[in-house]
Amino acid sequence: ETGVTQTPRHLVMGMTNKKSLKCEQHLGHNAMYWYKQSAKKPLELMFVYSLEERVENNSVPSRFSPECPNSSHLFLHLHTLQPEDSALYLCASSQVASGGGGELFFGEGSRLTVL
Amino acid sequence: GQNIDQPTEMTATEGAIVQINCTYQTSGFNGLFWYQQHAGEAPTFLSYNVLDGLEEKGRFSSFLSRSKGYSYLLLKELQMKDSASYLCAAVDSNYQLIWGAGTKLIIKP
Repeated sequence: ETGVTQTPRHLVMGMTNKKSLKCEQHLGHNAMYWYKQSAKKPLELMFVYSLEERVENNSVPSRFSPECPNSSHLFLHLHTLQPEDSALYLCASSQVASGGGGELFFGEGSRLTVL
Repeated sequence: GQNIDQPTEMTATEGAIVQINCTYQTSGFNGLFWYQQHAGEAPTFLSYNVLDGLEEKGRFSSFLSRSKGYSYLLLKELQMKDSASYLCAAVDSNYQLIWGAGTKLIIKP
């Protein structure tokens, strides 16, 4: 139990579908993140939220749309994805939205396959 | 540009010692993290170094040399459960995390 829960764990979708990934943290942290993890590549930071406000958006295509309704929940809405978007999407949280602000607590990820 | 280099894969024997190296080139430096990630699981925090030297935590130790832009993770008395990927991440001057691609460690009996 890492304190960060992601659903679904696995998702297969067609290029025209719309789906959402959900993340919930039970740690009382103020910052939440979406990362993309592809095989043999470094983690790619997609979005950062601090106290429900988006503080970073790393040139992510608009087919990925984040939502942070409160400090415990984070969503990633997906639409008209491409096969190259197939990857493991990791949610993480930390006390503050800063790389030097302490360790990240990760969820187990949502494995996305785009057909 | 900013870059982290670590070996793609390493193999070691149960009961032995293994050292996983990480070199970094970043604009400024505010510390370095090591995470462990078992297949299909969440990455979990192992260590954070910001000062030069060796920090020991049980069977795992992490070393940092700021002047050389170099860190290593040392695993002693290897166990089969240590088979995992080990991720190195440096904190740059903007307090952003720069990640390596990870080192897959395979432990053989």
